[in-house]
Amino acid sequence: AQSVTQPDIHITVSEGASLELRCNYSYGATPYLFWYVQSPGQGLQLLLKYFSGDTLVQGIKGFEAEFKRSQSSFNLRKPSVHWSDAAEYFCAVGSLMNSGYSTLTFGKGTMLLVSP
Amino acid sequence: EAGVTQFPSHSVIEKGQTVTLRCDPISGHDNLYWYRRVMGKEIKFLLHFVKESKQDESGMPNNRFLAERTGGTYSTLKVQPAELEDSGVYFCASSQDLAGAQYFGAGTRLSVL
Repeated sequence: AQSVTQPDIHITVSEGASLELRCNYSYGATPYLFWYVQSPGQGLQLLLKYFSGDTLVQGIKGFEAEFKRSQSSFNLRKPSVHWSDAAEYFCAVGSLMNSGYSTLTFGKGTMLLVSP
Repeated sequence: EAGVTQFPSHSVIEKGQTVTLRCDPISGHDNLYWYRRVMGKEIKFLLHFVKESKQDESGMPNNRFLAERTGGTYSTLKVQPAELEDSGVYFCASSQDLAGAQYFGAGTRLSVL
């Protein structure tokens, strides 16, 4: 069965500093990988996704993630964090079943705090 | 275009009562998913509809949970009778393609007292 590990429960970053959120997955085949963000009082918003092709994926709000098969990782990065980025971030892996559909397995989430 | 909408946003009920959660997917999305996040745990898959048919309900905790999707449009998730451990946030998501990105609603926070 697939699994996702987000080793950092909380991270605090100064506004303007760079950010990297870690995500490691366990999955037998080529995974479909996603990053979602949940701001307070909001739903889960899709930041970016990786299905195939270029391993560096660009997303919304200036985020990017890099798929590294050798490390089973899909870390999320942003060069300069803004106070509005404070939220909880979820990494997820999608499994393509024989019937063609995909369910998502999520990590426990990383809460990002942005300090002035 | 409207996103995935869920009602209510918050529900507080007593143990033993019944609660029905509703999800309206993005128009045209045949795939509808329910997930749940219990406090301190991961977001976990409950079930998946393709149109009005249940494709996979392997994540449903027990037979106190009943999901329906009338006419392949909106979906309801009923918990009857509710227990304390059912408390959490219930998310609905929809996707256009079977392996496509899933778009989530804001969730329903269920508190069972």
